[in-house]
Amino acid sequence: AQKITQTQPGMFVQEKEAVTLDCTYDTSDPSYGLFWYKQPSSGEMIFLIYQGSYDQQNATEGRYSLNFQKARKSANLVISASQLGDSAMYFCAMSPEGNDMRFGAGTRLTVKP
Amino acid sequence: DVKVTQSSRYLVKRTGEKVFLECVQDMDHENMFWYRQDPGLGLRLIYFSYDVKMKEKGDIPEGYSVSREKKERFSLILESASTNQTSMYLCASSLRTDNNSPLHFGNGTRLTVT
Repeated sequence: AQKITQTQPGMFVQEKEAVTLDCTYDTSDPSYGLFWYKQPSSGEMIFLIYQGSYDQQNATEGRYSLNFQKARKSANLVISASQLGDSAMYFCAMSPEGNDMRFGAGTRLTVKP
Repeated sequence: DVKVTQSSRYLVKRTGEKVFLECVQDMDHENMFWYRQDPGLGLRLIYFSYDVKMKEKGDIPEGYSVSREKKERFSLILESASTNQTSMYLCASSLRTDNNSPLHFGNGTRLTVT
């Protein structure tokens, strides 16, 4: 079974600085997808970024990038130039071939002005 | 944009009641999912479905069942609600059964069982 580990229950970052949210995973599947979602206080789940297990390059989406280290089974999210609106819960998730996605426990990010 | 609609935002039920949580998606997605979200535990998969009348158990199916009679609708059923089922329930859908298809979530139903 897949397991996703997010070891940082809470993180603080100063506005305009970069922050890295950690995620490690465990799977025996050769092919899988890695995802990050944002959940603001309103409760909606917002898809941020995707990385395929066979992708050679790290995924980027605007200020979000995914630092994918396959041998270490890590998929850290990097947010550059943090904004106050980035304050939210962030979830790392992994999807096997069947798309039944599993999630980590989440990291609560607080951006300080 | 995909819209996933959960019928209730807040629900309060009594122990032992049968509870139905409804979810509808409007983008002809193949797959639908039910998760529960609890602080410190993240999202845990209860049940999912790849097709009409088809269901698969997730990681925590005990105490729950599901129904998918139409492609757009996926219902979660608590046969006899218990206080440990007090939680936020999230429904999601995805276009394809492969590992690069992101999930689209509803806004959640916060269920309280007293």
